[in-house]
Amino acid sequence: GQNIDQPTEMTATEGAIVQINCTYQTSGFNGLFWYQQHAGEAPTFLSYNVLDGLEEKGRFSSFLSRSKGYSYLLLKELQMKDSASYLCAVRDDKNTGFQKLVFGTGTRLLVSP
Amino acid sequence: GAVVSQHPSRVICKSGTSVKIECRSLDFQATTMFWYRQFPKQSLMLMATSNEGSKATYEQGVEKDKFLINHASLTLSTLTVTSAHPEDSSFYICSAWPLGGGTRNTIYFGEGSWLTVV
Repeated sequence: GQNIDQPTEMTATEGAIVQINCTYQTSGFNGLFWYQQHAGEAPTFLSYNVLDGLEEKGRFSSFLSRSKGYSYLLLKELQMKDSASYLCAVRDDKNTGFQKLVFGTGTRLLVSP
Repeated sequence: GAVVSQHPSRVICKSGTSVKIECRSLDFQATTMFWYRQFPKQSLMLMATSNEGSKATYEQGVEKDKFLINHASLTLSTLTVTSAHPEDSSFYICSAWPLGGGTRNTIYFGEGSWLTVV
Protein backbone atom coordinates (compact mmCIF):
# COMPACT_ATOMS: atom_id res chain seq x y z
CA GLY A 1 0.00 0.00 0.00
CA GLN A 2 0.86 3.64 0.03
CA ASN A 3 0.94 5.98 2.99
CA ILE A 4 2.05 9.55 2.71
CA ASP A 5 1.40 11.44 5.91
CA GLN A 6 1.55 15.10 6.82
CA PRO A 7 0.27 17.15 9.74
CA THR A 8 -3.27 18.32 9.06
CA GLU A 9 -2.87 21.93 10.09
CA MET A 10 -0.15 24.30 11.17
CA THR A 11 -0.15 27.92 12.24
CA ALA A 12 2.68 30.41 12.23
CA THR A 13 3.21 34.15 12.36
CA GLU A 14 4.37 36.46 9.66
CA GLY A 15 8.15 36.59 9.34
CA ALA A 16 8.66 33.28 11.10
CA ILE A 17 10.00 29.98 9.81
CA VAL A 18 7.85 26.86 9.55
CA GLN A 19 8.76 23.27 8.75
CA ILE A 20 6.18 20.94 7.25
CA ASN A 21 7.03 17.27 7.53
CA CYS A 22 6.10 14.41 5.24
CA THR A 23 6.66 10.72 5.86
CA TYR A 24 6.03 8.16 3.19
CA GLN A 25 5.79 4.44 2.60
CA THR A 26 5.23 3.67 -1.06
CA SER A 27 5.62 0.72 -3.39
CA GLY A 28 8.19 2.53 -5.47
CA PHE A 29 10.03 5.82 -5.27
CA ASN A 30 11.37 8.05 -8.01
CA GLY A 31 11.25 11.47 -6.48
CA LEU A 32 9.26 13.61 -4.07
CA PHE A 33 7.47 16.81 -4.92
CA TRP A 34 6.14 19.65 -2.84
CA TYR A 35 3.20 21.69 -4.08
CA GLN A 36 1.31 24.70 -2.83
CA GLN A 37 -2.41 24.77 -3.38
CA HIS A 38 -4.99 27.47 -2.76
CA ALA A 39 -8.57 26.34 -2.40
CA GLY A 40 -10.24 25.54 -5.69
CA GLU A 41 -7.07 25.93 -7.72
CA ALA A 42 -4.55 23.60 -9.29
CA PRO A 43 -1.42 22.78 -7.27
CA THR A 44 1.63 24.94 -7.93
CA PHE A 45 5.03 23.25 -8.09
CA LEU A 46 7.46 24.27 -5.34
CA SER A 47 10.28 21.74 -5.26
CA TYR A 48 11.50 18.33 -6.28
CA ASN A 49 13.93 15.98 -4.51
CA VAL A 50 15.17 12.68 -5.83
CA LEU A 51 18.49 12.44 -3.99
CA ASP A 52 19.08 12.80 -0.27
CA GLY A 53 19.78 16.26 0.97
CA LEU A 54 18.56 19.80 0.91
CA GLU A 55 17.31 21.72 -2.11
CA GLU A 56 17.04 25.47 -1.63
CA LYS A 57 15.02 27.83 -3.74
CA GLY A 58 14.55 31.30 -2.39
CA ARG A 59 12.39 31.28 0.74
CA PHE A 60 11.57 27.61 0.25
CA SER A 61 13.81 24.63 0.95
CA SER A 62 13.04 20.95 0.80
CA PHE A 63 14.89 18.05 2.38
CA LEU A 64 14.78 14.36 1.61
CA SER A 65 16.00 11.24 3.41
CA ARG A 66 15.17 8.19 1.36
CA SER A 67 16.36 5.74 4.00
CA LYS A 68 13.97 7.25 6.52
CA GLY A 69 11.13 7.84 4.10
CA TYR A 70 11.05 11.44 5.23
CA SER A 71 10.94 14.87 3.73
CA TYR A 72 10.25 18.37 4.94
CA LEU A 73 9.45 21.69 3.38
CA LEU A 74 10.93 24.73 5.09
CA LEU A 75 9.37 28.11 4.56
CA LYS A 76 11.30 31.15 5.71
CA GLU A 77 10.25 34.76 6.20
CA LEU A 78 6.62 33.79 6.14
CA GLN A 79 4.19 36.09 4.40
CA MET A 80 0.43 36.26 4.68
CA LYS A 81 0.14 35.01 1.10
CA ASP A 82 1.83 31.76 2.17
CA SER A 83 -1.42 30.73 3.84
CA ALA A 84 -2.40 27.74 1.73
CA SER A 85 -2.31 23.97 1.66
CA TYR A 86 1.03 22.28 1.12
CA LEU A 87 1.08 18.87 -0.44
CA CYS A 88 3.91 16.42 -0.70
CA ALA A 89 3.67 13.87 -3.47
CA VAL A 90 5.71 10.80 -4.33
CA ARG A 91 6.39 9.62 -7.84
CA ASP A 92 5.78 5.92 -7.64
CA ASP A 93 7.59 3.98 -10.33
CA LYS A 94 6.67 0.48 -9.26
CA ASN A 95 4.62 -0.14 -12.36
CA THR A 96 6.66 -0.32 -15.52
CA GLY A 97 5.38 1.66 -18.46
CA PHE A 98 4.22 4.65 -16.49
CA GLN A 99 4.81 6.44 -13.26
CA LYS A 100 2.13 7.95 -11.07
CA LEU A 101 2.13 10.84 -8.65
CA VAL A 102 0.52 10.06 -5.31
CA PHE A 103 -0.25 12.88 -2.93
CA GLY A 104 0.06 13.03 0.82
CA THR A 105 -2.69 14.04 3.18
CA GLY A 106 -1.83 17.72 2.86
CA THR A 107 -1.09 20.42 5.44
CA ARG A 108 -3.14 23.59 5.77
CA LEU A 109 -0.90 26.43 6.84
CA LEU A 110 -2.34 29.57 8.35
CA VAL A 111 -0.06 32.56 8.63
CA SER A 112 -1.23 35.22 11.05
CA PRO A 113 -0.01 38.81 11.47
CA GLY B 1 5.08 26.89 -21.09
CA ALA B 2 3.07 23.73 -21.40
CA VAL B 3 -0.61 24.03 -20.68
CA VAL B 4 -3.24 21.54 -19.73
CA SER B 5 -6.78 22.71 -20.29
CA GLN B 6 -9.67 21.23 -18.39
CA HIS B 7 -13.30 21.77 -19.27
CA PRO B 8 -15.79 22.56 -17.90
CA SER B 9 -14.44 24.47 -14.93
CA ARG B 10 -17.78 24.24 -13.18
CA VAL B 11 -20.75 22.02 -13.85
CA ILE B 12 -24.01 21.35 -12.08
CA CYS B 13 -25.95 18.24 -12.97
CA LYS B 14 -29.02 16.45 -11.72
CA SER B 15 -28.74 13.30 -9.70
CA GLY B 16 -28.80 10.23 -11.94
CA THR B 17 -27.37 11.94 -14.99
CA SER B 18 -23.88 11.66 -16.44
CA VAL B 19 -21.32 14.38 -16.90
CA LYS B 20 -18.13 14.44 -18.95
CA ILE B 21 -14.97 16.32 -18.07
CA GLU B 22 -12.26 16.87 -20.68
CA CYS B 23 -8.55 17.23 -20.15
CA ARG B 24 -6.45 18.47 -23.06
CA SER B 25 -2.74 19.01 -23.36
CA LEU B 26 -2.50 22.07 -25.58
CA ASP B 27 1.11 22.14 -26.68
CA PHE B 28 2.52 18.74 -25.90
CA GLN B 29 1.60 15.09 -26.27
CA ALA B 30 0.92 12.90 -23.29
CA THR B 31 0.64 9.14 -23.37
CA THR B 32 -0.33 9.19 -19.72
CA MET B 33 -2.75 11.43 -17.89
CA PHE B 34 -3.93 11.19 -14.32
CA TRP B 35 -7.29 11.94 -12.77
CA TYR B 36 -7.62 13.13 -9.19
CA ARG B 37 -10.56 13.92 -6.95
CA GLN B 38 -10.38 16.36 -4.09
CA PHE B 39 -13.00 16.88 -1.40
CA PRO B 40 -13.03 20.09 0.64
CA LYS B 41 -10.12 20.41 3.04
CA GLN B 42 -8.63 17.17 1.81
CA SER B 43 -5.72 16.30 -0.42
CA LEU B 44 -5.76 15.08 -4.00
CA MET B 45 -6.75 11.46 -4.30
CA LEU B 46 -5.54 9.61 -7.37
CA MET B 47 -8.48 7.96 -9.07
CA ALA B 48 -6.97 6.46 -12.19
CA THR B 49 -4.21 6.58 -14.73
CA SER B 50 -5.34 7.18 -18.28
CA ASN B 51 -3.24 5.52 -20.96
CA GLU B 52 -3.57 6.49 -24.61
CA GLY B 53 -4.96 3.68 -26.68
CA SER B 54 -5.53 1.29 -23.81
CA LYS B 55 -7.70 0.82 -20.77
CA ALA B 56 -7.29 3.08 -17.79
CA THR B 57 -5.73 1.77 -14.60
CA TYR B 58 -7.92 2.46 -11.60
CA GLU B 59 -6.81 2.87 -8.01
CA GLN B 60 -8.19 0.56 -5.40
CA GLY B 61 -11.68 1.49 -4.33
CA VAL B 62 -12.51 3.53 -7.44
CA GLU B 63 -15.44 2.14 -9.41
CA LYS B 64 -14.41 1.79 -13.03
CA ASP B 65 -18.00 1.47 -14.22
CA LYS B 66 -18.94 4.72 -12.53
CA PHE B 67 -15.92 6.77 -13.54
CA LEU B 68 -15.37 6.07 -17.20
CA ILE B 69 -12.05 7.20 -18.59
CA ASN B 70 -11.22 7.45 -22.26
CA HIS B 71 -7.85 8.48 -23.65
CA ALA B 72 -8.57 8.62 -27.34
CA SER B 73 -5.57 10.63 -28.47
CA LEU B 74 -2.21 11.86 -27.24
CA THR B 75 -3.76 15.18 -26.27
CA LEU B 76 -7.16 14.31 -24.85
CA SER B 77 -8.46 12.31 -21.92
CA THR B 78 -12.04 12.37 -20.68
CA LEU B 79 -13.61 11.42 -17.38
CA THR B 80 -17.31 10.62 -17.38
CA VAL B 81 -19.11 10.42 -14.07
CA THR B 82 -22.05 8.14 -14.72
CA SER B 83 -25.29 8.13 -12.75
CA ALA B 84 -23.98 10.94 -10.62
CA HIS B 85 -25.08 11.30 -7.02
CA PRO B 86 -24.65 14.18 -4.58
CA GLU B 87 -21.73 12.38 -2.92
CA ASP B 88 -19.85 12.61 -6.23
CA SER B 89 -19.79 16.38 -5.87
CA SER B 90 -16.14 17.26 -5.73
CA PHE B 91 -13.21 19.01 -7.39
CA TYR B 92 -11.79 16.86 -10.19
CA ILE B 93 -8.38 17.66 -11.61
CA CYS B 94 -6.23 16.06 -14.27
CA SER B 95 -2.50 16.07 -14.82
CA ALA B 96 -0.18 14.92 -17.59
CA TRP B 97 3.40 13.87 -18.16
CA PRO B 98 4.77 15.03 -21.50
CA LEU B 99 5.62 12.33 -24.01
CA GLY B 100 9.24 11.39 -23.45
CA GLY B 101 9.02 12.41 -19.84
CA GLY B 102 10.23 15.97 -20.20
CA THR B 103 12.49 17.07 -17.40
CA ARG B 104 12.47 14.89 -14.35
CA ASN B 105 10.03 17.06 -12.47
CA THR B 106 7.73 17.95 -15.33
CA ILE B 107 4.08 17.35 -14.68
CA TYR B 108 1.33 19.70 -15.68
CA PHE B 109 -2.04 20.14 -14.03
CA GLY B 110 -5.33 21.21 -15.47
CA GLU B 111 -7.27 24.00 -13.81
CA GLY B 112 -9.70 21.59 -12.24
CA SER B 113 -13.45 21.07 -12.54
CA TRP B 114 -15.99 21.66 -9.82
CA LEU B 115 -18.83 19.16 -10.04
CA THR B 116 -22.03 19.74 -8.08
CA VAL B 117 -24.72 17.09 -8.22
CA VAL B 118 -28.14 18.26 -7.11
